Amino acid sequence: ELQLVESGGGLVQPGGSLRLSCEASGFTFSNYWMTWVRQAPGKGLEWVANIKQDASEKYYVDSVKGRFTISRDSAKSSLYLQMNSLRAEDTAIYYCARDSSPHLGGSWFDAFDIWGQGTRVTVSS
Amino acid sequence: AIQMTQSPSSLSASIGDRVTITCRASQYIRNDLAWYQHKPGKAPELLIYAASTLQSGVPSRFSGSGSGTDFTLTISSLQSEDIATYYCLHDYSYPRTFGQGTKVEI
Repeated sequence: ELQLVESGGGLVQPGGSLRLSCEASGFTFSNYWMTWVRQAPGKGLEWVANIKQDASEKYYVDSVKGRFTISRDSAKSSLYLQMNSLRAEDTAIYYCARDSSPHLGGSWFDAFDIWGQGTRVTVSS
Repeated sequence: AIQMTQSPSSLSASIGDRVTITCRASQYIRNDLAWYQHKPGKAPELLIYAASTLQSGVPSRFSGSGSGTDFTLTISSLQSEDIATYYCLHDYSYPRTFGQGTKVEI
């Protein structure tokens, strides 16, 4: 079964740190771009970051640049999100997703076809 | 960053109705757009990518169209299991951005 399982969420004080993990199973993790998406309470989805198969490319939404770091370990089939200097506005459910990166008409596209169940992060004093 | 604007923000329809959701990009994004369905307490699900390609396993009542800046998600005959919030997401450049979502109710 194709599966992503997140862990590492919890309650943290403003300015604190947290490391999220996402363990993949049922597919060859090293073949795929991976992505983090979050949803703050009562808000819509927000793309956070992604990472290429060999970790040579990483991209972030502006609001987390310099504070969050995405990484991966193919030996452990795991994706990570190191979150530092956390703020109240980082409170959200964080989802990891696999990007199947379909190739159509000479172009590559994003297609987040497998998602984890999400892990909740609460930043509060 | 490219802004994605969905309309309407919410809609109410009857079972069997044709439902149309639009997504407008603040600049040209070719056909680099996907649609996702999100139900409360569950993970989002991919419906459409490359603006009009139906993801495997997604019912054929879902369809996508558009290119450039204007895109549409259509549900040809609304079913009870389609009650959810729908989001567009561009992948033309970084950062990727979602639309604000369209909540579909009965």
